Amino acid sequence: AIQLTQSPSSLSASVGDRVTITCRASQGIGSALVWYQQKRGKTPNLLISDASNLESGVPSRFSGSGSGTVFTLTISSLQPEDFATYYCQQFTNFPLTFGGGTKVEIK
Amino acid sequence: EVQLLESGGGLVQPGGSLRLSCAASGFTFSSYSMNWVRQAPGKGLEWVSVVGTDGRTIFYADSVKGRFTISRDTSKNTLYMQMNGLRAEDTAVYYCAKHNRHGRDYFDAWGQGTLVTVSS
Repeated sequence: AIQLTQSPSSLSASVGDRVTITCRASQGIGSALVWYQQKRGKTPNLLISDASNLESGVPSRFSGSGSGTVFTLTISSLQPEDFATYYCQQFTNFPLTFGGGTKVEIK
Repeated sequence: EVQLLESGGGLVQPGGSLRLSCAASGFTFSSYSMNWVRQAPGKGLEWVSVVGTDGRTIFYADSVKGRFTISRDTSKNTLYMQMNGLRAEDTAVYYCAKHNRHGRDYFDAWGQGTLVTVSS
């Protein structure tokens, strides 16, 4: 199974900060990666597909990049509603796998 | 509006069985692969299983293979998961998740989840 390693596992940031989360795959997956946001007590919400495509309705401060084995999710200017846990997921083959998550907390 | 409503969770003893259901509405159920994804308390997401539109294309995570069986009933717009031989490590919220509209293996809609607790 393809392993996804997210870093950091948690971070503290202030409103307005630029935040970058990294997801590393144990083998090349092309662009077959998505990012979800999960707020406390809620279900995951799809933010980015195919490594860099912003889903409809997702604010433009979110962006994704990367291919192969290293991917990043960037929030250009952190807003209060962005405090949540973020997960990457690969879909190049089964079993589908998720990263361990990155919890973004208020500094 | 897409709606996915899970049911069937509860407290079960180790070695016991449960059957989860997920009632779907707001989309053409027969046209989408459907999944179960779980989340242990305070932990991350773990994909469990997928069933294709044909009802026969099925994959499982190694952690549940041989114990869990996924199925779907298109006439009832319902997804199922039969869980046998439950273990403490199966304790989690189980989400029903719909494949995205392009048929790719990721999810654009999730149910609210049903909690399965395996404990004596």
